[in-house]
Amino acid sequence: EVQLVQSGAEMKKPGESLKISCKGSGYSFTSYWIAWVRQMPGKGLEWMGIINPSDSDTRYSPSFQGQVTISAEKSITTTHLQWSSLKASDTAMYYCARPRGGASSWYAFNIWGQGTMVTVSS
Amino acid sequence: DIVMTQSPLSLPVTPGEPASISCRSSQSLLDSNGYNYLDWYLQKPGQSPQLLIYLGSNRASGVPDRFSGSGSGTDFTLKISRVEAEDVGVYYCMQPQQFTFGPGTKVDIK
Repeated sequence: EVQLVQSGAEMKKPGESLKISCKGSGYSFTSYWIAWVRQMPGKGLEWMGIINPSDSDTRYSPSFQGQVTISAEKSITTTHLQWSSLKASDTAMYYCARPRGGASSWYAFNIWGQGTMVTVSS
Repeated sequence: DIVMTQSPLSLPVTPGEPASISCRSSQSLLDSNGYNYLDWYLQKPGQSPQLLIYLGSNRASGVPDRFSGSGSGTDFTLKISRVEAEDVGVYYCMQPQQFTFGPGTKVDIK
């Protein structure tokens, strides 16, 4: 079964660092880009960025450039989303997603992780 | 930047009746290859988003045929021929050229 399994919920304080993960299985991990999507409480979906696990080529949405880092570890078929200094405004659910097509297909994201809730509060 | 708008933002529906959601883009999503790069997603309460329609009118695997997508260029429509109770949630259109989601349309039962 093709799936993306994300790491568990996190509670952090402002200023702390954090890395969450998304593990792919059931398919050729390096053949599909993986995207990260933010959903703040009660709000809509926002693209953060997308990474090619094959060579770690990463594209960020302008809103998130410099705010987060997306990375990939091919050996463990996992992508990561990390913050160096969290803010209360980073409180949100974060999803990873994979498109139905490989290569440079960046549309039709049909595989989604279950989401990771990140809560940042003092 | 490409701006996506949806209407209505809230849609009370009656089971068995049809429903329609509009999505408009500030720039054409029609590529030179003839494809419209517009996806539709449904996020059911408490769940991850799920793909319904891609390339404007192609139903994703496992999506009931009561869902259909149409449109080209800047104007797109998602139609549900006969709404079922399980169709409640927030519907988003998304253009993958600049990775922009629409604001979402909340569908619930009257």
